[in-house]
Amino acid sequence: QITLKESGPTLVKPTQTVTLTCTFSGFSLTTNGVGVGWIRQPPGKALEWLAVIYWDDDKRYNPSLKSRLTITKDTSKNQVVLTLTNLDPVDTATYYCARRRIDSGTYYGFDIWGQGTMVTVS
Amino acid sequence: EIVLTQSPGTLSLSPGERATLSCRASQSVTSTYLGWYQQKPGQAPRLLIYGASSRATGIPDRFSGSGSGTDFTLSISRLEPEDFAVYYCQQYGTSPWTFGQGTKVEIK
Repeated sequence: QITLKESGPTLVKPTQTVTLTCTFSGFSLTTNGVGVGWIRQPPGKALEWLAVIYWDDDKRYNPSLKSRLTITKDTSKNQVVLTLTNLDPVDTATYYCARRRIDSGTYYGFDIWGQGTMVTVS
Repeated sequence: EIVLTQSPGTLSLSPGERATLSCRASQSVTSTYLGWYQQKPGQAPRLLIYGASSRATGIPDRFSGSGSGTDFTLSISRLEPEDFAVYYCQQYGTSPWTFGQGTKVEIK
């Protein structure tokens, strides 16, 4: 069974930095074609892709947030960590991590999602 | 940035009816990189369709995707009670990957 679970603080003050951890099981981030991404959703609004990291340590960021984002992985712990700096109330959202899979030329998008963690900036 | 515009914003239908959801892109999207997700209140999104027309694991065959270029469609042949939710399209071929604003399918 494949699972992902997000963890981190629920309340953060403006200008601070938040560190979110995605702990996953049932797959490996050393497998060719596998990645883990972060997506957020402000209350009542649409989804916004933030960043993704791949098995080969390739990292991609949403350009609109790139200067504030860092994504890293710890394959020994099956974890992916996202940091977002200089927080503002508009960053208040549910933050999801999800698996990204590419297999034999087939691109699956985000096929398995965590339950999400709500971060309030106030 | 590729903007995805979904229509209609809300679709009011009865169980058993057919639902047709549209996703229009501001520039061409390679079909390989177009997906659809379902989200129910308080839950994470769930991948329904990838590659514009392939169903994800465990997705019933009443869900189907089609389209190419800038126009894509998600169809639900006969709505079941559990299908009433918000649906998002996503392109993951051009950075930044973007989502549409969602279509809510509600019970009429």
